[in-house]
Amino acid sequence: EVQLLASGGGLPQAGESLRLSCTASGFTFRDYTMTWIRQAPGKGLEWVSAISGDGDKTYYADSVKGRFTISRDNSKNKVYLQMHSLRAEDTATYFCGAPSNWGPGSLVAVSS
Amino acid sequence: MLAQNPLSLSVTPGQPASISCKSNRSLLHSDGQTYLYWYLQKPGQPPRPLFYDVSSRYSGVPDRLRGSGSGTDFTLRISRVEAEDVGVYYCMQGIFLPWTFGQGTKVEIE
Repeated sequence: EVQLLASGGGLPQAGESLRLSCTASGFTFRDYTMTWIRQAPGKGLEWVSAISGDGDKTYYADSVKGRFTISRDNSKNKVYLQMHSLRAEDTATYFCGAPSNWGPGSLVAVSS
Repeated sequence: MLAQNPLSLSVTPGQPASISCKSNRSLLHSDGQTYLYWYLQKPGQPPRPLFYDVSSRYSGVPDRLRGSGSGTDFTLRISRVEAEDVGVYYCMQGIFLPWTFGQGTKVEIE
């Protein structure tokens, strides 16, 4: 059974940093591009970032480019989202996964 | 960009429902797959995958739901709405970066 669990959310202040982690199991992790999407309170879904299976290619939404960094450790079946210079508009529940499966989210609430 | 219509839907149990998703660019890839997905999200939960490649069902998706369309125009149809179908439905394109979602269609039971 595929399982994805995001962690690391919290209540940072504007300008601070936070790192989200996602632990995956139940599939061959290194074979999959992994993705972060987010959902602001009461809003729709927004794609944030993706990383190829080997970690060589990374992709970012314009809204986070230059502030967020995605990475992965295939030996630990983990993907990370390092977030810097957080803004109030980054407040959202962050989900990790792939189009075929999204795990429970981790809430990031940035106070200004 | 993906445009969903309607943005909300109130349906009598047992009646059909239909949601449209239109793209401003063709989602057909040169590999033959159309990168259009459908999801259902319930409050406090992650999006649940329903369809990929327009009409291919993920495991556990009931036959009452059907995805159709091609190129730029897509439709999710529910033949007979049941209580478990309530939630917000999203289409998503996964061919162009950034991947984008439709605005969501909230389905309620009358």
